[in-house]
Amino acid sequence: KQEVTQIPAALSVPEGENLVLNCSFTDSAIYNLQWFRQDPGKGLTSLLLIQSSQREQTSGRLNASLDKSSGRSTLYIAASQPGDSATYLCAADTGANSKLTFGKGITLSVRP
Amino acid sequence: NAGVTQTPKFRILKIGQSMTLQCTQDMNHNYMYWYRQDPGMGLKLIYYSVGAGITDKGEVPNGYNVSRSTTEDFPLRLELAAPSQTSVYFCASRLGLKATPLHFGNGTRLTVT
Repeated sequence: KQEVTQIPAALSVPEGENLVLNCSFTDSAIYNLQWFRQDPGKGLTSLLLIQSSQREQTSGRLNASLDKSSGRSTLYIAASQPGDSATYLCAADTGANSKLTFGKGITLSVRP
Repeated sequence: NAGVTQTPKFRILKIGQSMTLQCTQDMNHNYMYWYRQDPGMGLKLIYYSVGAGITDKGEVPNGYNVSRSTTEDFPLRLELAAPSQTSVYFCASRLGLKATPLHFGNGTRLTVT
């Protein structure tokens, strides 16, 4: 059974800092790894999707990497801003009917 | 383009009552999902559907039922509501191909007292 872990559960950084959010998964036989953002009281918004054949994906100040062999993905946020404050979740897609297994998320607070 | 729409946004039920959470998407997605999100517990899959007329159980299906009569709609039915069903419920959809992202609705916050 796939298990996805995100540590730490919460993170607070000053504005402008570059930061890395970690995601680990137990079953390396994944089709893709997705990163989501969730604002309080809202649904999840897809940020980046990395296919199993890819090593990284970039969107603006966000860069996500994937290392299947070690069961790890990282989300890099450059020059963090207070507007980046949210909960970030990763999810592993192991393909069976496209069901995703989610981590519990990392709540990020960027201080002005 | 509305994406995934869930109604209602909030609901309070008494123990033993029933209700239907509505979910509709206008993206012609084949795959649809219902998740529940509890504090500190992440998202758990309740039911999913790979197309109209096809549904299957997820990780935590007990106490719930679904139907998928059209591509657009995927309602979740709660029968005999229990306090353990107090949660935030999210509907999501995706095109079905492996490399397509999951799109979420804004959720329904349900309290059972």
